Amino acid sequence: EAQVTQNPRYLITVTGKKLTVTCSQNMNHEYMSWYRQDPGLGLRQIYYSMNVEVTDKGDVPEGYKVSRKEKRNFPLILESPSPNQTSLYFCASSPLGTSSQETQYFGPGTRLLVL
Amino acid sequence: ELKVEQNPLFLSMQEGKNYTIYCNYSTTSDRLYWYRQDPGKSLESLFVLLSNGAVKQEGRLMASLDTKARLSTLHITAAVHDLSATYFCAANTGNQFYFGTGTSLTVIP
Repeated sequence: EAQVTQNPRYLITVTGKKLTVTCSQNMNHEYMSWYRQDPGLGLRQIYYSMNVEVTDKGDVPEGYKVSRKEKRNFPLILESPSPNQTSLYFCASSPLGTSSQETQYFGPGTRLLVL
Repeated sequence: ELKVEQNPLFLSMQEGKNYTIYCNYSTTSDRLYWYRQDPGKSLESLFVLLSNGAVKQEGRLMASLDTKARLSTLHITAAVHDLSATYFCAANTGNQFYFGTGTSLTVIP
């Protein structure tokens, strides 16, 4: 089944404790992206990647890191989480970025609470 | 930075009625997307609109795009309860995507 998976689905942590949220897709998509969803703000793009070893900042990259060492994986790293990073996070993938006629396929989401 | 505005933010409508959700975007975009999100769930793609005048329909939902007005609409025909969800539009500049704040639709029997 074609899908985007994220782990963990739920995470409670404390300020300053490094964490990683994994994202994996099995559709051989070049483009992958991370978003955060907050009430009243819609989804905001954190980082995106056009291919292996190619990443770029989205609208709200502060406090986050990403890496793309393999095509299928795009982990989101919070080196020192703060309470304002409490949010619902979505990973998404798409073939060939915006040159494609296809849309983005979203993972199930990771709900993060930073105390 | 591209800004995407949706209205209304909240919509309560009776079954069988028609209504339209509006999506305005501030600068030129390659394409316009519509997504649906059910409570506690992920986003599901509804439509991708590629060019001026594009119209796509799926069941009771029809989306259109006017690139000159920088406006997309999502028209709901004869609403049914199953359409209750939050609807997002999104636009892109290059490889960056910008989402509207969403329209929470409740269809009342």
